[in-house]
Amino acid sequence: NAGVIQTPRHKVTGKGQEATLWCEPISGHSAVFWYRQTIVQGLEFLTYFRNQAPIDDSGMPKERFSAQMPNQSHSTLKIQSTQPQDSAVYLCASSLVQQDTQYFGPGTRLLVL
Amino acid sequence: GQQVKQSSPSLTVQEGGISILNCDYENDMFDYFAWYKKYPDNSPTLLISVRSNVDKREDGRLTVFLNKSGKHFSLHITASQPEDTAVYLCAAGARNSGGSNYKLTFGKGTLLTVTP
Repeated sequence: NAGVIQTPRHKVTGKGQEATLWCEPISGHSAVFWYRQTIVQGLEFLTYFRNQAPIDDSGMPKERFSAQMPNQSHSTLKIQSTQPQDSAVYLCASSLVQQDTQYFGPGTRLLVL
Repeated sequence: GQQVKQSSPSLTVQEGGISILNCDYENDMFDYFAWYKKYPDNSPTLLISVRSNVDKREDGRLTVFLNKSGKHFSLHITASQPEDTAVYLCAAGARNSGGSNYKLTFGKGTLLTVTP
């Protein structure tokens, strides 16, 4: 079992560019979570899918951020018109539905110049 | 305000001693409480967790204590070892509207250093 896979591991973008981050959950896990980690704010919940359906996006910034889960094997987090304050480590986690434990991927370190 | 708070950003303990990590929370709806361990440049991994119907859970050298009336939970690590040195994140969760999984709110972490 490869665990949660996130690509790319590092991404550098210029201000105003678009960034797409990918997550492949553990096979069989139907719950997928996105979090963002910064030094100032710590680890913050962004959004959550269950069986590919968006369930809770209360942590997502209302503008420029969107997430999708087109199939059970991957989810994407897209940031349009990236800003320097979007620089963070973006973590994806997956879980079995009805199970408590969330397994985190290695994260994508995004740097917006 | 911070819904989950770790008031100590760092803690140093001698090898063999007991490490006590603390976490306070605000939201009465939280009913799941967890401790994650994080090494630098690595992702968090779950150490131990409890649901709100339990006030204590032991797993080897780890014990979680939950004080719901005080909105406080803690992690005790006995016989602390240098390899326990890491950042410890507490997390609390409430069932989302769909009812199946917990949306976690994390503290900012406590860096535990165990000295030989």
